[in-house]
Amino acid sequence: EDQVTQSPEALRLQEGESSSLNCSYTVSGLRGLFWYRQDPGKGPEFLFTLYSAGEEKEKERLKATLTKKESFLHITAPKPEDSATYLCAVLPGSNYQLIWGAGTKLIIKP
Amino acid sequence: DVKVTQSSRYLVKRTGEKVFLECVQDMDHENMFWYRQDPGLGLRLIYFSYDVKMKEKGDIPEGYSVSREKKERFSLILESASTNQTSMYLCASRTGREKLFFGSGTQLSVL
Repeated sequence: EDQVTQSPEALRLQEGESSSLNCSYTVSGLRGLFWYRQDPGKGPEFLFTLYSAGEEKEKERLKATLTKKESFLHITAPKPEDSATYLCAVLPGSNYQLIWGAGTKLIIKP
Repeated sequence: DVKVTQSSRYLVKRTGEKVFLECVQDMDHENMFWYRQDPGLGLRLIYFSYDVKMKEKGDIPEGYSVSREKKERFSLILESASTNQTSMYLCASRTGREKLFFGSGTQLSVL
């Protein structure tokens, strides 16, 4: 069964304290892995797409990496405005619909 | 700037009512989606549409129906609202298998 698991469920960091969020997946073939950011009361906003193991993408303080079993979203020297829920989704080879993780709620304290 | 607009941010309805959630996109996307989002769960697909007047069931279609009469508009209908349909409803659109663009969501409470 195709599955996506995100960990931890919640993460509290001090401003400037770097860390990583994890998205592990078991799918039959991988067409793409997507990261989204969701602020409270809003819809998810696209961050990155990764297509193959070894690929990396960066945007400001965020860097996404991909292996054959998992993806990491690294956040370097975070600021309070990086506080949000980060969602991971996988597009399996078996169908055209995304499989979503439950998200990691990130809280950055000043 | 691309936009997916959902007609209501908050909605309160009574059990048994027929509820309409509207979604409009201005990007000429072929594909449109309705998800629901509940705490601790990933987004769950209710219905999607890949063309005008076309619709496909997602993972949790029971108790819902959809309508797509025009390319830019995709409506979700709760035929007879129940308390277990209290949730955040998210509309999204995309072209091909590219990234999804989401609306701001509708928080529906069924009392």
